[in-house]
Amino acid sequence: AIQLTQSPSSLSASVGDTVTITCRASQAITSALAWYQQKPGKAPKLLIYDASYLQSGVPSRFGGSGSGTDFTLTISSLQPEDFATYYCHQFNTYPTTFGQGTRLDIK
Amino acid sequence: EVQLVESGGGLVQPGGSLRLSCAASGFTFSTYAMSWVRQAPGKGLEWLSVVSDSGGPTNYADSVRGRFTISRDKSNDTLYLQMDSLRAEDTAVYYCAKQRYSFIGAFDVWGQGTMVTVSS
Repeated sequence: AIQLTQSPSSLSASVGDTVTITCRASQAITSALAWYQQKPGKAPKLLIYDASYLQSGVPSRFGGSGSGTDFTLTISSLQPEDFATYYCHQFNTYPTTFGQGTRLDIK
Repeated sequence: EVQLVESGGGLVQPGGSLRLSCAASGFTFSTYAMSWVRQAPGKGLEWLSVVSDSGGPTNYADSVRGRFTISRDKSNDTLYLQMDSLRAEDTAVYYCAKQRYSFIGAFDVWGQGTMVTVSS
């Protein structure tokens, strides 16, 4: 199975900051990568699909890039509602797999 | 409104069975692949199984292959997960999720989740 490694596992930031989360795949997955946001007690929410495409309704301060094995999620001008856990997800091949998650806390 | 609503979770003894349901609405159910994903308490997301748009091809994670069976009923736009031989490590919130394509893709719609607890 393809392993996804997210870094960092956790980070603290302030409202207005720009943060970047990385996701590295154990083998090439073209652009078959998505990013999700999850808040406590809630289902995950799709933010980015196919590595760089913004899901409808998601604010433009969220952006994704990368292909092959290295991917990034960038959140610009952090808002209070952005503090959550973020997961990357590869769907190049089954079993489809998730990264371990990155918890974003308020500093 | 596009919506997925899971049901069927609860407390079950080790070795027991449970069937989860996921009622879909607001989109053409028969056009998209559907998956089950779970999340153990305090842990990350784990994909379990997928069924294609047609209900034909399926796939399973090694952790549940041979114990869980995914199916879908286009007559009532419902996805199912039959879970047999349940173990304590199957305790989790179970989500159904719609995929963007016919057999693989990102999960663009999620249900609210249903809790399964396996304990004696």
